[in-house]
Amino acid sequence: AQSVAQPEDQVNVAEGNPLTVKCTYSVSGNPYLFWYVQYPNRGLQFLLKYITGDNLVKGSYGFEAEFNKSQTSFHLKKPSALVSDSALYFCAVGGYNKLIFGAGTRLAVHP
Amino acid sequence: DAGVTQSPTHLIKTRGQQVTLRCSPKSGHDTVSWYQQALGQGPQFIFQYYEEEERQRGNFPDRFSGHQFPNYSSELNVNALLLGDSALYLCASSSGTGYASPLHFGNGTRLTVT
Repeated sequence: AQSVAQPEDQVNVAEGNPLTVKCTYSVSGNPYLFWYVQYPNRGLQFLLKYITGDNLVKGSYGFEAEFNKSQTSFHLKKPSALVSDSALYFCAVGGYNKLIFGAGTRLAVHP
Repeated sequence: DAGVTQSPTHLIKTRGQQVTLRCSPKSGHDTVSWYQQALGQGPQFIFQYYEEEERQRGNFPDRFSGHQFPNYSSELNVNALLLGDSALYLCASSSGTGYASPLHFGNGTRLTVT
């Protein structure tokens, strides 16, 4: 069975500092991995995906993610955090016709 | 270009009642998926519709049913509501059924069962 784990319920970071939101996955075969962001009372917005190719994937709003096959990880990163990045972030693995989401990590960026 | 639209935004129902939620996909999209997001959890896949047929179903009981219309819009029906059905119901659309296609989500319908 495919699954993802987000080990941190919340990540706190100061504005201007780099941020990392962690995700590990478990799949059989090649993983299709995604990051989505959810703002209060809104649906999820797509940030980026890894299908194949370069291990560093660049996405929306300055976010990027690093795929590491040996560590089965797909961590979300941003070089310089903004207060407006504060939201709920979900890692997901693509199963056939569906996505399996992690429990989410709340990112709080403090001024 | 309208994104995914869902109605209603909020709904309050009583245990045992039935509810219908509606979704219009993003323009150009032909596939609709439904997810349930309980408070503090990630979205859970309910089912996906493509060409007016249910293509795959998650681990949800038969009380959850759906439909897709020729214009690609979709409905989610839940019968015999339980307190545990209280959640944010998200509709997502995509083009085709390949799992490499990013999903576009609506803002959801918040269902409260009392």
